[in-house]
Amino acid sequence: AQKITQTQPGMFVQEKEAVTLDCTYDTSDQSYGLFWYKQPSSGEMIFLIYQGSYDEQNATEGRYSLNFQKARKSANLVISASQLGDSAMYFCAMREALYGGSQGNLIFGKGTKLSVKP
Amino acid sequence: GAVVSQHPSWVICKSGTSVKIECRSLDFQATTMFWYRQFPKQSLMLMATSNEGSKATYEQGVEKDKFLINHASLTLSTLTVTSAHPEDSSFYICSARDPRYGHVYTFGSGTRLTVV
Repeated sequence: AQKITQTQPGMFVQEKEAVTLDCTYDTSDQSYGLFWYKQPSSGEMIFLIYQGSYDEQNATEGRYSLNFQKARKSANLVISASQLGDSAMYFCAMREALYGGSQGNLIFGKGTKLSVKP
Repeated sequence: GAVVSQHPSWVICKSGTSVKIECRSLDFQATTMFWYRQFPKQSLMLMATSNEGSKATYEQGVEKDKFLINHASLTLSTLTVTSAHPEDSSFYICSARDPRYGHVYTFGSGTRLTVV
């Protein structure tokens, strides 16, 4: 079973509008971390935002916010005021608890390709 | 912030030859380095986890004799693709967690390998 599910292979958004990228996850751990990364065509992985499973507040980083709904196991990324430079692949990732046998690596979803239209 | 330098950025090699990819943590000590492979338009898949001073842990289906990993120091991990074949052509990227900042995972810039 997939641990990270991103159901939107591609998304379009008009410049200056907000967009939500969906992510659901599956884990039996109580302690885990959720991440969003941006990957432009150059291939580099750019960290956007992090949410810890015990964090009560939704994480925000500038134009990025993470809509964390723990009971529904979802961690959607919201990008406000989209810019042309936001066009890229976006990956949701999870790190499970180290005591559960995890090596501390990130598990990635399949990604969503975001295209911002002028 | 934490920086991981990865070289080369791209490499073209002939079938049967070996290619070494280096990842260096520039301003922190990386006791653990994660190596991922990404095929075009696909996600990052963990290949192996390297730990300084010990043998790497490989994911199921990854040939350890083909993908040799060495993590001889706290700042350097290498991945060698031995006897490369066209099906090994892919994007390889390393990542390390900066122990100073619990949740920060820094990635190298990636290596695009093409085997002809």
